Amino acid sequence: GAVVSQHPSWVICKSGTSVKIECRSLDFQATTMFWYRQFPKQSLMLMATSNEGSKATYEQGVEKDKFLINHASLTLSTLTVTSAHPEDSSFYICSARVSASNQPQHFGDGTRLSIL
Amino acid sequence: AQSVAQPEDQVNVAEGNPLTVKCTYSVSGNPYLFWYVQYPNRGLQFLLKYITGDNLVKGSYGFEAEFNKSQTSFHLKKPSALVSDSALYFCAVRAYSGAGSYQLTFGKGTKLSVIP
Repeated sequence: GAVVSQHPSWVICKSGTSVKIECRSLDFQATTMFWYRQFPKQSLMLMATSNEGSKATYEQGVEKDKFLINHASLTLSTLTVTSAHPEDSSFYICSARVSASNQPQHFGDGTRLSIL
Repeated sequence: AQSVAQPEDQVNVAEGNPLTVKCTYSVSGNPYLFWYVQYPNRGLQFLLKYITGDNLVKGSYGFEAEFNKSQTSFHLKKPSALVSDSALYFCAVRAYSGAGSYQLTFGKGTKLSVIP
């Protein structure tokens, strides 16, 4: 149980385009979803916390107009990288959790984004 | 603020030998501690957690971890390493971040290499 599906797994696009990444909790309802960014050989950096039906909470230094997050339902959150540039190339990972605080977060398989 | 330290960037162990991946933490209040494993180009997989109760926690794939409050440690262990255990391991602590929200703080990760 507790499967998180992330799509697409790999995307290559030209500079200036916008890219949408989907994160779905397949067998549970996730009141909270998280978006992380991981640089090569580094740990996960939390970008934002997404709560269903409300605005996402962004971490310091993360541009909310650059990284648009929508958490429209209890099973779906989307991250849109707007007007992507090469420096946005990274591995993006979503995570979801049921409401109880002592439950583990479950992670998607990540999206490798490459901006040319 | 909470923090997690994984003092070893890399751990090498021979197949069949016991392995230990170290983790220490700093958090106010009672810690919720987690171990995750990451394979190349994949998201994180949950291994085990400590919330309360027995200090020795058993998890997936034969892994276990020992919570030591006095040393603020949560080392990951396995009695007999397999080549397939080679991966990147992350220790994490969950702490209250305000407004009813909990966040995971990750260590920098430890690369485990099991040598045949």
